[in-house]
Order: sequence, then C-alpha cells, then structure tokens
Amino acid sequence: RKEVEQDPGPFNVPEGATVAFNCTYSNSASQSFFWYRQDCRKEPKLLMSVYSSGNEDGRFTAQLNRASQYISLLIRDSKLSDSATYLCVVPRGFGNEKLTFGTGTRLTIIP
Amino acid sequence: DAGVIQSPRHEVTEMGQEVTLRCKPISGHNSLFWYRQTMMRGLELLIYFNNNVPIDDSGMPEDRFSAKMPNASFSTLKIQPSEPRDSAVYFCASSFSKGETQYFGPGTRLLVL
Repeated sequence: RKEVEQDPGPFNVPEGATVAFNCTYSNSASQSFFWYRQDCRKEPKLLMSVYSSGNEDGRFTAQLNRASQYISLLIRDSKLSDSATYLCVVPRGFGNEKLTFGTGTRLTIIP
Repeated sequence: DAGVIQSPRHEVTEMGQEVTLRCKPISGHNSLFWYRQTMMRGLELLIYFNNNVPIDDSGMPEDRFSAKMPNASFSTLKIQPSEPRDSAVYFCASSFSKGETQYFGPGTRLLVL
C-alpha cells in the first residue's frame, strides 16, 4: 500500500451537492491527519486537522477510521469557491514535521 | 502580516546552470521546510530545518541539491548543475515550531531547458 493514496478524480459536482473523498494511508502509527486545499497554481493551505475520530468545521467534515486506515472529507452544500485540489496529508513517524502528501483529488463545482 | 516569501517566483534556465531559490519564513517561526511538487510525484519534502539546523535531508534527490539556512529569516535551495528533470514548483514552508501547522509560500516555478 502507498503511504498515502487518494482518488485523483476529477470530481465534477453541481453546486449545492454533497461530495466526499476518501484517502487511505499505510502508517498505522500515525496519530494525526490533515486535509490541505490547493487552488490552481497556488500554494497548499491547511483546511482541517483530524486528531480523533472526526472533526467538523461548517460545511466540512473530516472522519477517521483507524481500523481501516482511511480518512474522509465530506463537503456539504458545495459552493463554486470549493473548486480546488484537496490533499490528504499524513505525518511520517511520531511528530508532525515530516508530512507525506497525497497526490490530491481535484474537485470542480459546476454552476 | 507577511506570509512566507519566496523568490524568484519564476525561473527559466538552461541545463547545467546553477539555480538558487530563496525563502524568507514567517517571522518567529522556528521550522522551515523545502518541498518540490511535480505532476508525477506530487508534493515531496526535500529537507527541513529547526532553529536554522538541518534536521532531515533524506528527501534531497542527489548531491546536485543543497540547502542552507544561515539565519532565522533566510534560507536557500541551490541546484548545481540543473537538469531538465528538476523542472517543478519548489515550495518553502515554515511553522512556529516542530509539529505545528506549516504555512506555505507561493512557490518558485522552475523550468530547466
């Protein structure tokens, strides 16, 4: 299994719909996880951190399933501004300084 | 507040030339990271510093790559000699301390002809 694996998409979703992405990871010792967002030709920016079973921030919900080693990101009531690439990020080792980034899932919200 | 600053934003050079990328981390941040992003390999950590000291350079692809951090507000990533396969976007990121959220700069787009 790859360190971090994501469905590359693209996901083309109508505005207002709900969309979910999954990410699998290989390091069973990882304790914390992150979702970063990267707009076209821009730098990655932290969207959410996931430290336990899940985390919710407005329209965004991140869930963690340690037994199956996957993380999911759910976006409800999607907006045009949600169009971006979403990167699943898993730390290597015990600290959070060495991060392994997935190759990203590309999302396009259609008006 | 200024974020992470990188220069140049774009660089086009010919194979064999030396390339120097520059980064100024966010003031007060003690950890600095250099990443490379390509379509094929995604975002890869090259090296990171903590308190100006290189901690892990296992991601540096080969001896042609070197990085320095002479002080808390400046770091360089040098490629000598450059090759076409080095073409990528190079990001610098900084964090307040080890394990804290990493903030990325806008990146340097490097094209080696």
